[in-house]
Amino acid sequence: GAVVSQHPSWVICKSGTSVKIECRSLDFQATTMFWYRQFPKQSLMLMATSNEGSKATYEQGVEKDKFLINHASLTLSTLTVTSAHPEDSSFYICSAGGLVIFNEQFFGPGTRLTVL
Amino acid sequence: LAKTTQPISMDSYEGQEVNITCSHNNIATNDYITWYQQFPSQGPRFIIQGYKTKVTNEVASLFIPADRKSSTLSLPRVSLSDTAVYYCLVGGTGTASKLTFGTGTRLQVTL
Repeated sequence: GAVVSQHPSWVICKSGTSVKIECRSLDFQATTMFWYRQFPKQSLMLMATSNEGSKATYEQGVEKDKFLINHASLTLSTLTVTSAHPEDSSFYICSAGGLVIFNEQFFGPGTRLTVL
Repeated sequence: LAKTTQPISMDSYEGQEVNITCSHNNIATNDYITWYQQFPSQGPRFIIQGYKTKVTNEVASLFIPADRKSSTLSLPRVSLSDTAVYYCLVGGTGTASKLTFGTGTRLQVTL
């Protein structure tokens, strides 16, 4: 199956700093990527839909100015957590789609963000 | 998007068959039913997808009754490595479709 990678796999930062997380589709082109957040023992919560070459679509309650998403190419989407605070500490997961021959989305391994 | 209801948790012994049922009363005509598996600190992994009746692949079977208001994921002869959270999702097929994850079922397999 198709492979989606994320970088970094984990990051620790100080409160007030910004953190960028990359999501790459390694062997296919993804016109659409999704970003999720998952708190411990909870389900995945969709944050936004990232479309190549256009603005991301954010879910209700997700601050677009805080979680900046850029999908500049068919293989890369980035999520930047700006001015991170401890409550932003979470597991961030991306998924990639866009291939009509597949009936599934492929998820990245996730990025563990810890804000001190 | 159709809401799903699953048991919060299930326990099983190794070697047994496990059936996890998901309710989706408001499923739409065009919706498919998809199951994902997630291990701790990993992204979800696709298990199986179906529209109606029965679908089987190398790891699981999916049973969908005629009214499609529920579905059952069947895992034959589970092992310790099947301990994970299993999510049932309903929605449009296609890789650009937005997925809404419910609470999932936490399956614990023991010896």
